[in-house]
Amino acid sequence: AQSVTQLGSHVSVSEGALVLLRCNYSSSVPPYLFWYVQYPNQGLQLLLKYTSAATLVKGINDFEAEFKKSETSFHLTKPSAHMSDAAEYFCAVSDQGFQKLVFGTGTRLLVSP
Amino acid sequence: DAGITQSPRHKVTETGTPVTLRCHQTENHRYMYWYRQDPGHGLRLIHYSYGVKDTDKGEVSDGYSVSRSKTEDFLLTLESATSSQTSVYFCAISESAQNTEAFFGQGTRLTVV
Repeated sequence: AQSVTQLGSHVSVSEGALVLLRCNYSSSVPPYLFWYVQYPNQGLQLLLKYTSAATLVKGINDFEAEFKKSETSFHLTKPSAHMSDAAEYFCAVSDQGFQKLVFGTGTRLLVSP
Repeated sequence: DAGITQSPRHKVTETGTPVTLRCHQTENHRYMYWYRQDPGHGLRLIHYSYGVKDTDKGEVSDGYSVSRSKTEDFLLTLESATSSQTSVYFCAISESAQNTEAFFGQGTRLTVV
């Protein structure tokens, strides 16, 4: 069965600093991997997805993630944090056969001025 | 935004009463999902549907049932609500089983007292 581990329930950065949110997955088959963002009192919005094409995936709002099979990781990065990036971020995995998403527990990103 | 409407958005109910949450989509997507979101657990799949009258259980299906009599509507029923079912419930839709984005509704906050 697939699973996802997100290291750090909270990450704090200063505005303009690098954002790094960590995600490790476990899957018995080649996975699809996703990062979603959730703003307060809203649903989830897709940031980016990996579907076995390029290992470096670019998403919206300058976020990107790199699929590293050897490390079973799919970490999310952004070169320069904005105040508007403050939100909760979820990593998710699904088998290539069917999109039943399995989510991590989430990481709340705090951005200080 | 994808056309997904969840109703009600907020509900308080008493232990032991039945509750039905509705998800309505205008995208004509085949796949629909119900998740619950709880602190420290991320989102967990309750039930999903892969077509009209075709549904299956997810990770945390005990105490829940679903029905899909039309493409656009996916109902989640708590047969006899318990305090452990206090949560935020999200509906999601996707066009196909593979490689496509899942779109999420705004969520329903359910409190069982």
